[in-house]
Order: sequence, then C-alpha cells, then structure tokens
Amino acid sequence: QVQLQESGPGQVKPSETLSLTCSVSGGSISVHYWNWIRQPAGNGLEWIGHINTVGGTKYNPSLKSRVTMSVDTSTNQFSLKLTSVTAADTAVYYCARSNFLDYWGQGILVTVSS
Amino acid sequence: DIQMTQSPSILSASVGDRVSITCRASQSVSGWLAWFQQKPGRAPKLLIYKASTLKSGVPSKFSGSGSGTEFTLTISSLQPADFATYYCQQYGSYPITFGQGTRLEIK
Repeated sequence: QVQLQESGPGQVKPSETLSLTCSVSGGSISVHYWNWIRQPAGNGLEWIGHINTVGGTKYNPSLKSRVTMSVDTSTNQFSLKLTSVTAADTAVYYCARSNFLDYWGQGILVTVSS
Repeated sequence: DIQMTQSPSILSASVGDRVSITCRASQSVSGWLAWFQQKPGRAPKLLIYKASTLKSGVPSKFSGSGSGTEFTLTISSLQPADFATYYCQQYGSYPITFGQGTRLEIK
C-alpha cells in the first residue's frame, strides 16, 4: 500500500521560501511522476508541478518562476520549494503520485503570515 | 491552459438517487480525464482515471464516460457517504488542470 506524507513548517513569513518534503513508503519513488498540488481554504485544487527521478520536471506556468522541485531516491522523498511567498500562497499543500494522482498525502496547511 | 468546467456546481439529491456530473474541457484531452471525491478536511481520493477506468477498490456504483471534451461521472444509489465534493482533472496537456468542483448535497 503506497503512502505519502507531507512535512515542513506550518507557517512561513511573507517574502520567504516555503519548503516541504513528501516521504513515500510502500513503493519505489523511481517510477511515476510525483506531484505537488495545493488548495486554499474553501477553494479548488491547483496543480503546482511534478518531477520524476530522471530529473524531468514540469511546473505550472503560473508558479514556474518561484518553484523548484527535487527528488532523493536514497530516502524515497521529494521536495518543493516556493520562493517569495505571499498571503496568496496560504493553502493546504498535497503531494500525490502519477499523472492521474492515484495516491495522495493527507495534506499540510501552510500559512503565510508574519 | 485547458479550462475544465463542471456542471452543476451544486447538486442536491436524496439517498437512493442516481446522479450525473458533467465536465467539459476547453479543448480535447482525449481520454486523459480523472475524477476525484473529496470530503471536508480530507485529501481528494481518485475514483476514475482514463475517463472510465475504475480505480481498484472503488465501488462499481461510480462510473465514468466520455472522451475529447465532454465527460460524465455517474453515481448510482446514493448513500450518505457519497455526499461530498467531486472534481474532474485533465492530464492530457500541461499544465494539469482541475474543474472547479461539484458539491453533492443531501436534499
């Protein structure tokens, strides 16, 4: 049973960098694309981007200038960095597997506030 | 970007009803369409991918159809656990995009 778990700070100051990690268990990270999605409170879902282990990344153009994703096969983890955050980046952040998002983490609320 | 539009945005139904939700894409996504169920405070759960393939373990009361630009999620014999928000998602073109969601509520 594949499981994903997000971790990272629950609060980030404006203009700083949001950093999250997703730990994958029950399956190899060397297969599939690995995604980040976010959902502001009471709103819909926004795809941030994804990465695979051969270094292939695709980012949402709306966030591309601020997003970096990386993957570590030795720890079965992948990560998200989002720079220059504002209040508009406050959301629940999810990690998920594959293009059709077949497995999701439980989500982590990140609040941008001073 | 491909815009995904779901209708209706809110659907009121009773236990035992059969309901359908439509998802329209602004351009063809072929069959690269998934459906999710989300309950408050929980992550979305995949129900259907490739427009009509049921994820293993998902009850057969959920079914999907369509291709190109128009897709439908049908839920038969509604039970209390089915009242939730449903999203469609296209993965045929980057960026991956979602519909705005359909809230299925008890009448």
